[in-house]
Amino acid sequence: GNSVTQMEGPVTLSEEAFLTINCTYTATGYPSLFWYVQYPGEGLQLLLKATKADDKGSNKGFEATYRKETTSFHLEKGSVQVSDSAVYFCALSYNNAGNMLTFGGGTRLMVKP
Amino acid sequence: SQTIHQWPATLVQPVGSPLSLECTVEGTSNPNLYWYRQAAGRGLQLLFYSVGIGQISSEVPQNLSASRPQDRQFILSSKKLLLSDSGFYLCAWSDRAPPEAFFGQGTRLTVV
Repeated sequence: GNSVTQMEGPVTLSEEAFLTINCTYTATGYPSLFWYVQYPGEGLQLLLKATKADDKGSNKGFEATYRKETTSFHLEKGSVQVSDSAVYFCALSYNNAGNMLTFGGGTRLMVKP
Repeated sequence: SQTIHQWPATLVQPVGSPLSLECTVEGTSNPNLYWYRQAAGRGLQLLFYSVGIGQISSEVPQNLSASRPQDRQFILSSKKLLLSDSGFYLCAWSDRAPPEAFFGQGTRLTVV
């Protein structure tokens, strides 16, 4: 079956540090890949996505590249801010009737001033 | 534009009591609908999904059930809550393509 594995948190960084959150997946075919962000007490928001190999998704300074050869979709940001503190979820989905998202376990990011 | 409403935001219920959480979507037709649960400090678990009215697929056997009485309404229910039902419940919808999902604000359920 499909699965998504992300690095366990929490990840604690100082403001303006470089961020990497690793995500690898196991799936057949060509899924779409996503990063979702969950701020405290809220639902999930789509942060970025990539729908085919070598695509780079980007939003709010965050980037992730769909690497089929390494089955990875690592999230990066060059300079984090305190407001980036949240839980980040990597996910995959197929464009079929169900469109179900398979999520990783989530990684909590804490950014200190 | 599409919006998703989920209520209530928080709920405290005694063990053995019934549950009804409601989710509605506006601005789209025939969406896929999902219920997820997030236990404290853990990831997201898909509970139910629906591709159409009256069509419910269960991913995890438990004492919860789901119904879709209207195209854009998805209800999560239980006849008798257990302590282990406590968690953060999230409703989501997606179109046929692209396969991304949009989430409601969630319901924090505490069973006491």
